[in-house]
Amino acid sequence: GNSVTQMEGPVTLSEEAFLTINCTYTATGYPSLFWYVQYPGEGLQLLLKATKADDKGSNKGFEATYRKETTSFHLEKGSVQVSDSAVYFCALIGGGGNKLTFGTGTQLKVEL
Amino acid sequence: DTGVSQDPRHKITKRGQNVTFRCDPISEHNRLYWYRQTLGQGPEFLTYFQNEAQLEKSRLLSDRFSAERPKGSFSTLEIQRTEQGDSAMYLCASSLATQGGGLNTEAFFGQGTRLTVV
Repeated sequence: GNSVTQMEGPVTLSEEAFLTINCTYTATGYPSLFWYVQYPGEGLQLLLKATKADDKGSNKGFEATYRKETTSFHLEKGSVQVSDSAVYFCALIGGGGNKLTFGTGTQLKVEL
Repeated sequence: DTGVSQDPRHKITKRGQNVTFRCDPISEHNRLYWYRQTLGQGPEFLTYFQNEAQLEKSRLLSDRFSAERPKGSFSTLEIQRTEQGDSAMYLCASSLATQGGGLNTEAFFGQGTRLTVV
């Protein structure tokens, strides 16, 4: 079946540091890949997505590239802010599928 | 439209009681999903509807769980004879499925209902 593996957190960074959160997946067919973010006390929000190999999703300074050869979709941001502190979930929809499969989430803490 | 709304936000119940949660999706969305999230884990799929039809149920959904979407709009999730292991955040999401199937558009999540079984 489909599965998503994320690096464990929490990840603690200083403001303006570079961020990478690793995500690898196992899926049948050609999945679509997503990053969702959950700020404290709020629901999940879509951060970015990529629907085919080599696509790059980007939003709010975050980027992730769909790498089919390494089955990865790592999240990056060049300079994090305190306001980026949240839990980040990598997710996929399997080829032809109808539901999201999530990773366990990575908590990011950004300090001044 | 205010997005996906869930009610109640919090529910504390005694073991053995029945509880019911409601989800109001974004009005034009034809798909509605229920997920369960426990502390430190990602959301786990429970079930989904396309319009009023329940198209898929997870093996996680025991006989004590039932979901309905009677008119293809709001949905309810009922848990009968609650157990402490049912304590979790129950998330609802909705989306607009395009012709040809598949989830090609964004799924919007509600803020969830946090259930505590004591």
